[in-house]
Amino acid sequence: DTGVSQDPRHKITKRGQNVTFRCDPISEHNRLYWYRQTLGQGPEFLTYFQNEAQLEKSRLLSDRFSAERPKGSFSTLEIQRTEQGDSAMYLCASRFQGAVNTEAFFGQGTRLTVV
Amino acid sequence: TQLLEQSPQFLSIQEGENLTVYCNSSSVFSSLQWYRQEPGEGPVLLVTVVTGGEVKKLKRLTFQFGDARKDSSLHITAAQPGDTGLYLCAGAAGGGNKLTFGTGTQLKVEL
Repeated sequence: DTGVSQDPRHKITKRGQNVTFRCDPISEHNRLYWYRQTLGQGPEFLTYFQNEAQLEKSRLLSDRFSAERPKGSFSTLEIQRTEQGDSAMYLCASRFQGAVNTEAFFGQGTRLTVV
Repeated sequence: TQLLEQSPQFLSIQEGENLTVYCNSSSVFSSLQWYRQEPGEGPVLLVTVVTGGEVKKLKRLTFQFGDARKDSSLHITAAQPGDTGLYLCAGAAGGGNKLTFGTGTQLKVEL
C-alpha cells in the first residue's frame, strides 16, 4: 500500500469554473476525511465518510461544495463556481475505525489556485 | 467550538539548541496527535498520545500529554536543520474522531 493518494497535486482554475479532486485512501480504511488548509494555518475539517455514508459536514462546506464516496473506496470533492477564496490546499486523510483503531494518515494534498 | 492554540507561532533557532512547542485547549480530547508538515506536502504523523500524563519519546523528540488531556508539549533536543517544518498538534474528539488542528508552529533550524 502506497498510502493516501490525491490527484491532482496542483490545480489552477479561473474564477467561476468547476473543479473536482480525487482521493484514494489506504485500502481497508473505512473512514475518509477532507480538510482545507490556507497558508500559515492548520487544516480545517470539511467532511468525513464512514464507508460510503457522509456522516458529518462542516459549516465551512458551502452549497458549492459536494463530496462523494460512492463505493466506499475513493472519494471526490467538487467545487462549483469557484471563487478566489477557495484557493487553498485540500487534504484528504483516512483511518480505520473498528475494534482496533488506527491513526489518520494524510495524502500530499491538492493545491488549488483560483485566478 | 474546540480550539487548539499553539505557541510560539514562529521559532528560528541555531543547530544544537533545544526548544519546546506548546499546544493548549479548554477542551478535553480523547487523543492528541503531533504532525510535521513540509511546504507543499500533507502532514506526516509523528506521535499519538492517549493517556493523561503520558510521555512518549521519539529519538530527540519528547511528547507529553497533560494530566487533564487538554494540553500537550513537544520538546526537541539538539535541533538539526532537518527538523525544520510546520509542527501541528491535533486533538481527536467526538464520534467521528475528526481532528481539530492547532494554529501551527513554524520552526526553522539554521546551521
